[in-house]
Amino acid sequence: DAGVTQSPTHLIKTRGQQVTLRCSPKSGHDTVSWYQQALGQGPQFIFQYYEEEERQRGNFPDRFSGHQFPNYSSELNVNALLLGDSALYLCASNRWTAGPYEQYFGPGTRLTVT
Amino acid sequence: QQQVKQSPQSLIVQKGGISIINCAYENTAFDYFPWYQQFPGKGPALLIAIRPDVSEKKEGRFTISFNKSAKQFSLHIMDSQPGDSATYFCAASEDGGATNKLIFGTGTLLAVQP
Repeated sequence: DAGVTQSPTHLIKTRGQQVTLRCSPKSGHDTVSWYQQALGQGPQFIFQYYEEEERQRGNFPDRFSGHQFPNYSSELNVNALLLGDSALYLCASNRWTAGPYEQYFGPGTRLTVT
Repeated sequence: QQQVKQSPQSLIVQKGGISIINCAYENTAFDYFPWYQQFPGKGPALLIAIRPDVSEKKEGRFTISFNKSAKQFSLHIMDSQPGDSATYFCAASEDGGATNKLIFGTGTLLAVQP
């Protein structure tokens, strides 16, 4: 049983560009949450998707947007990249009915903005 | 307040010793407190979690102690091993089953010396 998978592993972008990160949840999970982890910091909640809708959002600007597909996979899009967007982007999945419990994280996508 | 304060920032323990990491919170709506372990280049992995209806939970060498009145909880790693060397994050979730959002502490880098 594959756990949470994310692609790509690493990404280098230039300031002002746009980026799309992808996540496939663990089998049996229907909810995907995205987190940003700056170097040396704890993960910060970006937003969460369930039934293809954004259900909750953290304190991130509208440059951060997302999507969930019918197969529960998800994308995170960041527009107009800033140097400060450089971070490890983590995807977590679980079952909506389980609430916050048993959230499994993927290995992350390391985004570097130059 | 949606903040979880974690200490210490780093910790060095001898093999076989006890590692103790502490967290404090302000939001009394928090009712789920997980601990995650993260190795370099990997996503956080759920280690152990507790709800405030119990004061202690033990799983193998890992124990969570919870003090609801003080709004504090801690992770104890008994018989610490070099393989336990990692970054540990406490987290909390608000509103119980109504949300999947996790609020993370800033992390503790644990080094277990052989």
